[in-house]
Amino acid sequence: RKEVEQDPGPFNVPEGATVAFNCTYSNSASQSFFWYRQDCRKEPKLLMSVYSSGNEDGRFTAQLNRASQYISLLIRDSKLSDSATYLCVVNEGGYGNKLVFGAGTILRVKS
Amino acid sequence: DAGITQSPRHKVTETGTPVTLRCHQTENHRYMYWYRQDPGHGLRLIHYSYGVKDTDKGEVSDGYSVSRSKTEDFLLTLESATSSQTSVYFCAISESGGINEKLFFGSGTQLSVL
Repeated sequence: RKEVEQDPGPFNVPEGATVAFNCTYSNSASQSFFWYRQDCRKEPKLLMSVYSSGNEDGRFTAQLNRASQYISLLIRDSKLSDSATYLCVVNEGGYGNKLVFGAGTILRVKS
Repeated sequence: DAGITQSPRHKVTETGTPVTLRCHQTENHRYMYWYRQDPGHGLRLIHYSYGVKDTDKGEVSDGYSVSRSKTEDFLLTLESATSSQTSVYFCAISESGGINEKLFFGSGTQLSVL
């Protein structure tokens, strides 16, 4: 079983749609959580951290459910520029601050 | 954008040859990391450094070594390249390595081992 699992997609949505991705993690002792965005053939970039209380940044909302060990990302009013791969990242803590990356979910927004 | 430069950007080499990838940062961050990214896998940590001459192994360190003689430079060496090491390699940096620490990545090196 992978430590961090994501639906690889692709999710194909029209502009203006709302789309949600989920991510599950296996280590219940995980301490912090993030979503990174990666454009095709580019480096990953931090999109947002995920907090237990949930957090919002413009059209993006992230939620954490520790009891069920999943993280979600909701994108409202999708733009063409949102097309990318979204990486779920979990920090399992401990020595060296082990970061575990999901394989990513591909989003394609079409006009 | 964070000041991280990886070199080379692309490299084609033959099985059995040594290869060194370089990561240079201008942010004076303490932590530096080498990851590899392969289709169907998340980024996997090869080695990381928490200071000059202080390095440790990640989950996929076999066949790789690293060195950090200056704060700004972190080198990754494939001692004898194999086809299984064909991958995209990313360097990353973080300021303090805390649990909420964000990573900043370089542009990556595409390595092909023939």
